[in-house]
Amino acid sequence: QKEVEQNSGPLSVPEGAIASLNCTYSDRGSQSFFWYRQYSGKSPELIMSIYSNGDKEDGRFTAQLNKASQYVSLLIRDSQPSDSATYLCAVKGGSNYKLTFGKGTLLTVNP
Amino acid sequence: SQTIHQWPATLVQPVGSPLSLECTVEGTSNPNLYWYRQAAGRGLQLLFYSVGIGQISSEVPQNLSASRPQDRQFILSSKKLLLSDSGFYLCAWSKTDSYEQYFGPGTRLTVT
Repeated sequence: QKEVEQNSGPLSVPEGAIASLNCTYSDRGSQSFFWYRQYSGKSPELIMSIYSNGDKEDGRFTAQLNKASQYVSLLIRDSQPSDSATYLCAVKGGSNYKLTFGKGTLLTVNP
Repeated sequence: SQTIHQWPATLVQPVGSPLSLECTVEGTSNPNLYWYRQAAGRGLQLLFYSVGIGQISSEVPQNLSASRPQDRQFILSSKKLLLSDSGFYLCAWSKTDSYEQYFGPGTRLTVT
């Protein structure tokens, strides 16, 4: 059973701080990793993809991947109240197109 | 640019009634298509995926079925709904050679 684990939260940070969201996965053969943001009552929105070990930056978002530790994280710098949402980690393993999703971490950014 | 549509947005159905949810994608050809369900307090569960017309892979044995009658159309059906079918149904698409999936707005189904 391939698993993706996330701390359910809630993770509460003050406005302007760095929010750190973490995800671990069980399938050592996984090759592609994604972060989605889901506002309450809405559908998930893809915000970051990462395929290689190291960091990938896009604006205020940085995804970090460590395949040896089977760990992927998302850092949000200068957190804003509009970043308050559930963040889903998704992992692709194997030879098909399926993604396995974690249950998500609820982030609350306090003004 | 690509756009994905789902309808209806919300649906309330009695137990034992049939179901038909529709998803269409615009602005791309031969997309991979996916149906997910998100139940309250649970993660996203992949129900079906399709890599082409008439090609459907089922992930979870249950009373739901899927069809892909046209390249950019994906339909989720049931002959008789159960209470446990309640949830947020999401359609997603990806390019043929990509693993990045993009979600539609979803259908919130309540079975009473």
